[in-house]
Amino acid sequence: KAGVTQTPRYLIKTRGQQVTLSCSPISGHRSVSWYQQTPGQGLQFLFEYFSETQRNKGNFPGRFSGRQFSNSRSEMNVSTLELGDSALYLCASSGGTSGNEQFFGPGTRLTVL
Amino acid sequence: KNEVEQSPQNLTAQEGEFITINCSYSVGISALHWLQQHPGGGIVSLFMLSSGKKKHGRLIATINIQEKHSSLHITASHPRDSAVYICAVRGLGGSNYKLTFGKGTLLTVNP
Repeated sequence: KAGVTQTPRYLIKTRGQQVTLSCSPISGHRSVSWYQQTPGQGLQFLFEYFSETQRNKGNFPGRFSGRQFSNSRSEMNVSTLELGDSALYLCASSGGTSGNEQFFGPGTRLTVL
Repeated sequence: KNEVEQSPQNLTAQEGEFITINCSYSVGISALHWLQQHPGGGIVSLFMLSSGKKKHGRLIATINIQEKHSSLHITASHPRDSAVYICAVRGLGGSNYKLTFGKGTLLTVNP
């Protein structure tokens, strides 16, 4: 089975812009979670989607949003980018026979200038 | 105080040594995950456990639910084990049913 894929892998934006990141889960996995990783805060949970519904949300401002499509692919959007949004954004999928075990994608490295 | 505390933050060992990384948490959990992240690399799930002990090759993970503590052991460590090891806990339900992460333990194994 192919692993979790994320696009793009690297992204450079300027303050005030908005960005959309994409995640394709492992085939058969219906849950997709998004995480932000920074040197200062480490890994933090953003949100989780299951069958096109947001099942849980972390403590991030409303500028961070996401959605999931019927094929389980997910996107997250960050509007009005701030310098502090520079981070590695990871998605992970779970489901099927693997239960809640998280399978991580390679991440998208976002740099905000 | 973080909900998930790992110790030590940094660990340097010689090849062949037995390694232990500890994780303590303060909330009720449904499961605990151990993850591995190589420099510049992605994250790999090593273990997901809710009780007892699991073993995979040279890696062993244990959890004591009553004491809210877990340990990750690496036997006969090797330089390729050098990585950041992250402990994460999943809460019991509702808005707590999400992963909360420790800050990670940077392990360096020298040849």
